[in-house]
Amino acid sequence: DTGVSQDPRHKITKRGQNVTFRCDPISEHNRLYWYRQTLGQGPEFLTYFQNEAQLEKSRLLSDRFSAERPKGSFSTLEIQRTEQGDSAMYLCASSFRADTEAFFGQGTRLTVV
Amino acid sequence: GNSVTQMEGPVTLSEEAFLTINCTYTATGYPSLFWYVQYPGEGLQLLLKATKADDKGSNKGFEATYRKETTSFHLEKGSVQVSDSAVYFCALTYGGGSYIPTFGRGTSLIVHP
Repeated sequence: DTGVSQDPRHKITKRGQNVTFRCDPISEHNRLYWYRQTLGQGPEFLTYFQNEAQLEKSRLLSDRFSAERPKGSFSTLEIQRTEQGDSAMYLCASSFRADTEAFFGQGTRLTVV
Repeated sequence: GNSVTQMEGPVTLSEEAFLTINCTYTATGYPSLFWYVQYPGEGLQLLLKATKADDKGSNKGFEATYRKETTSFHLEKGSVQVSDSAVYFCALTYGGGSYIPTFGRGTSLIVHP
């Protein structure tokens, strides 16, 4: 297993466009998390899945954000009508259980111009 | 809710100096505690962990002890190297009901030759 992978690594988009990011977790991990990280801050929780069920969403996650994890495998995070404030690193992580460590991908850096 | 507080950075040290990065937490129940490291341009990597009170996690010369009485998990290293320059994040998970890994804002470490 090569760990958690995210695609793309970098995305530059114009304000108002939609973007979609993909995350492939470690194969035996049931839990998948999305975080957002801005400069000088720690990862901020956005949402998480237990298998294919989306169990919790942060209040940070506006209606323009949606995430899916069909069949409990890979996940996608879509941002509609992007705004400059959406510019950040979007991190995906997975873990085997609630009390075990999360393994992170290298992130997708989004720049909205 | 759960939260993690880390000391402000940057921490600037000379090579071979002793390192301490303070971390305290607030959580219900009995969380697992973690230190992650983020090298420039890379994703977060698990550095060490401890899952119950008085456990000591260690890796690559770094150590941290789970202190339930002071709700702390301070990171220490006896002799830092230039290659340890990175951002260090304290985190917790589980916490008696909240299953979401929660991170501090990170502490930047700069080690000079």
